[in-house]
Amino acid sequence: DGGITQSPKYLFRKEGQNVTLSCEQNLNHDAMYWYRQDPGQGLRLIYYSQIVNDFQKGDIAEGYSVSREKKESFPLTVTSAQKNPTAFYLCASSIQDGNTIYFGEGSWLTVV
Amino acid sequence: GQQLNQSPQSMFIQEGEDVSMNCTSSSIFNTWLWYKQDPGEGPVLLIALYKAGELTSNGRLTAQFGITRKDSFLNISASIPSDVGIYFCAGLMMIKAAGNKLTFGGGTRVLVKP
Repeated sequence: DGGITQSPKYLFRKEGQNVTLSCEQNLNHDAMYWYRQDPGQGLRLIYYSQIVNDFQKGDIAEGYSVSREKKESFPLTVTSAQKNPTAFYLCASSIQDGNTIYFGEGSWLTVV
Repeated sequence: GQQLNQSPQSMFIQEGEDVSMNCTSSSIFNTWLWYKQDPGEGPVLLIALYKAGELTSNGRLTAQFGITRKDSFLNISASIPSDVGIYFCAGLMMIKAAGNKLTFGGGTRVLVKP
């Protein structure tokens, strides 16, 4: 099946820990994105990457880090510096300069 | 970042009713996208609009890209129970050397009338 795969679906983090959310796509898309969604809210952009080995901060990048070593993979690390990490995280992708963006099924992160 | 004003925030539907929602912005967008999100799932693309004035249908869904490029609406005709969910508008601005920037509205939560 073609698509965007996020894992894990549910993740619990202890305070002070870093955790990494995986996002893999087999759509041959150049651009990938990470969004955060809080309950009852819209989506906010954390980081995005247009090409391999390059990425830019979105609107709420503080406390997060990403890498783009392979075209199909764009993992997001939620660091201990992110003070309120409990949220639903969505990965997305598009062709470069494409005007349609597709989403994965999301990952729930909860701090315990 | 930029904000899109989406309204209504929530609405109740009865089966068979038509539903309308809209988004407005102070900024111009190149593309308007409408998504539906079920609880705990990622948004699914419903309709994409690429030109000002464009009116596009997808089954019972109809959406329009406002002529000023600052607004869009989505209509759902003859609603059915599975139309329940959260609908998001999103404006896309393609910025050379910076990539596509997608700005989301706050969502319209569609619920079934008790």
